[in-house]
Amino acid sequence: AQKVTQAQTEISVVEKEDVTLDCVYETRDTTYYLFWYKQPPSGELVFLIRRNSFDEQNEISGRYSWNFQKSTSSFNFTITASQVVDSAVYFCALSEAPHLSSSNTGKLIFGQGTTLQVKP
Amino acid sequence: EAGVTQFPSHSVIEKGQTVTLRCDPISGHDNLYWYRRVMGKEIKFLLHFVKESKQDESGMPNNRFLAERTGGTYSTLKVQPAELEDSGVYFCASSPFTSSTGINEQFFGPGTRLTVL
Repeated sequence: AQKVTQAQTEISVVEKEDVTLDCVYETRDTTYYLFWYKQPPSGELVFLIRRNSFDEQNEISGRYSWNFQKSTSSFNFTITASQVVDSAVYFCALSEAPHLSSSNTGKLIFGQGTTLQVKP
Repeated sequence: EAGVTQFPSHSVIEKGQTVTLRCDPISGHDNLYWYRRVMGKEIKFLLHFVKESKQDESGMPNNRFLAERTGGTYSTLKVQPAELEDSGVYFCASSPFTSSTGINEQFFGPGTRLTVL
């Protein structure tokens, strides 16, 4: 069965600190996709990144970076020099690849979410 | 380009009443998904449409929930009769056609917060 675990329920940091949000996943598939979404106070889920299981290169986008390690089944998210606007709930999610199963729907399996509070 | 929209944004009803949630996906997106987040727990998949067809409804809690997507455009999710445990935030998401070579990211709406008293 597929499962995503975000062990950190809430994190509080002071502005300009670096913060890492952990994500550990379980899947029997060899091909799968991992996602991070941000849910700001306004409520909508904002897509941040998609990574497939064959691409283990780390990615950096501005102050955001992602560390994908298949050996530990982790897909951690780091915010460098955090800002108050980064305050939100962050969700990690997993999806199986479409060609493995005719019944695959691309549905996302979400973790419980991590609430990040960045204080000024 | 307009994003995914959901209506209403909030709904407060009494146990036993009926509520219908609406989702308008991004124009041209074949895939439409419904998810639900109950009280601080993880967001859980409810069902998936490809155009007007239900591809997967394995996440629907019970037969009090009925989803439709007539004409393959907007979708409705009806809860009848509503129970207390149905309270939560209902998200809709859409994505373009899924090819055999990859999965596209899903674009989410702002959600409908349902409170059943």
